[in-house]
Amino acid sequence: KNQVEQSPQSLIILEGKNCTLQCNYTVSPFSNLRWYKQDTGRGPVSLTIMTFSENTKSNGRYTATLDADTKQSSLHITASQLSDSASYICVVSPNYGGATNKLIFGTGTLLAVQP
Amino acid sequence: DTEVTQTPKHLVMGMTNKKSLKCEQHMGHRAMYWYKQKAKKPPELMFVYSYEKLSINESVPSRFSPECPNSSLLNLHLHALQPEDSALYLCASSHPLGGEGYTFGSGTRLTVV
Repeated sequence: KNQVEQSPQSLIILEGKNCTLQCNYTVSPFSNLRWYKQDTGRGPVSLTIMTFSENTKSNGRYTATLDADTKQSSLHITASQLSDSASYICVVSPNYGGATNKLIFGTGTLLAVQP
Repeated sequence: DTEVTQTPKHLVMGMTNKKSLKCEQHMGHRAMYWYKQKAKKPPELMFVYSYEKLSINESVPSRFSPECPNSSLLNLHLHALQPEDSALYLCASSHPLGGEGYTFGSGTRLTVV
């Protein structure tokens, strides 16, 4: 069964600190992996997208890594800011080879950055 | 323009009302999607349109009726909803092959009373 699991479920850090969120997936065949940031009551906003051949992708203070062999990804946030408080969702796109783009969502990590 | 615009942002409707949610994108995407998201849960796919034709209906009750009038617009018509249908409704769009450029709108917060 195609699944995406994230850890931890929730995390509290102090402003200015770094943190790393984890994502493990069992999706096969695999097309790409995305990390989204979702503020409460708002739509998800894309942070990074990686294909199976990419190991790392950065977007400002966000750096995602991918190990396609172990089916693991991480999202590292450096120098956290209060505005980083949100849910971070790992999303995997299976490679069905057609026009069916059914994304598989993780349950998210809820990050709270405190002053 | 790299946005998916959803209107309204908030909607409160009674169980006997008929209302519509609207979604618009001008990124040239030919796949558009409706999702339903309950609090603290991941989005659940409802419908997929590819080249303006319905390609996926995830066994959604008929009180939700999607419509894709052209390549830029996607509507979700609502009728006789139940309180448990209260949720955040998200629209998304992407290239139809491979899902490149998958972009979500900011959502419509629907409350059914």
